[in-house]
Amino acid sequence: KNEVEQSPQNLTAQEGEFITINCSYSVGISALHWLQQHPGGGIVSLFMLSSGKKKHGRLIATINIQEKHSSLHITASHPRDSAVYICAASDQTGANNLFFGTGTRLTVIP
Amino acid sequence: EPEVTQTPSHQVTQMGQEVILRCVPISNHLYFYWYRQILGQKVEFLVSFYNNEISEKSEIFDDQFSVERPDGSNFTLKIRSTKLEDSAMYFCASSKTWADTQYFGPGTRLTVL
Repeated sequence: KNEVEQSPQNLTAQEGEFITINCSYSVGISALHWLQQHPGGGIVSLFMLSSGKKKHGRLIATINIQEKHSSLHITASHPRDSAVYICAASDQTGANNLFFGTGTRLTVIP
Repeated sequence: EPEVTQTPSHQVTQMGQEVILRCVPISNHLYFYWYRQILGQKVEFLVSFYNNEISEKSEIFDDQFSVERPDGSNFTLKIRSTKLEDSAMYFCASSKTWADTQYFGPGTRLTVL
């Protein structure tokens, strides 16, 4: 079973700040997912990556397979980025069931 | 844009009753999943389903749980005899292949009284 740890648990930022959320996992994975959970509970997939770096708009995700570590960065943060950000690891057996971290609650203040 | 849908959005039931949670995955997806999130806790994997059979299941998915794809569009999760601790948000997800991004439904909040 993969243990997925995230930090910080809570993060408050001023609008415009650069934000980093970290994720580490305990055993090898086939992919690392970053998800966003809105206040209403809905979950949206942001990134799925198995190596290197991916960028989508103001969001950047990186992964270091050797160190079993991933980061999610948000540039020029905005109040609408306020949400819970969750990392999840795909099982290496290929079944793709996800092991979730506890999430990072981000609040961006205008 | 295609999306995963779930019904009902909120289900209230008495302990010991059977409930069926329904999901309509994205139409060309082949892999289906159920997850649950107890209030204030992290999301947990329950079961994955492919080619009309269970691919993987967690320890949570005991004999009280079952999944079914009764027709070409629906994917259901049945809890035979609900317990208080089954109260949670249940999310359905689907993906095109096992290696692809999973798309999540909006969730069904189950409250067991």
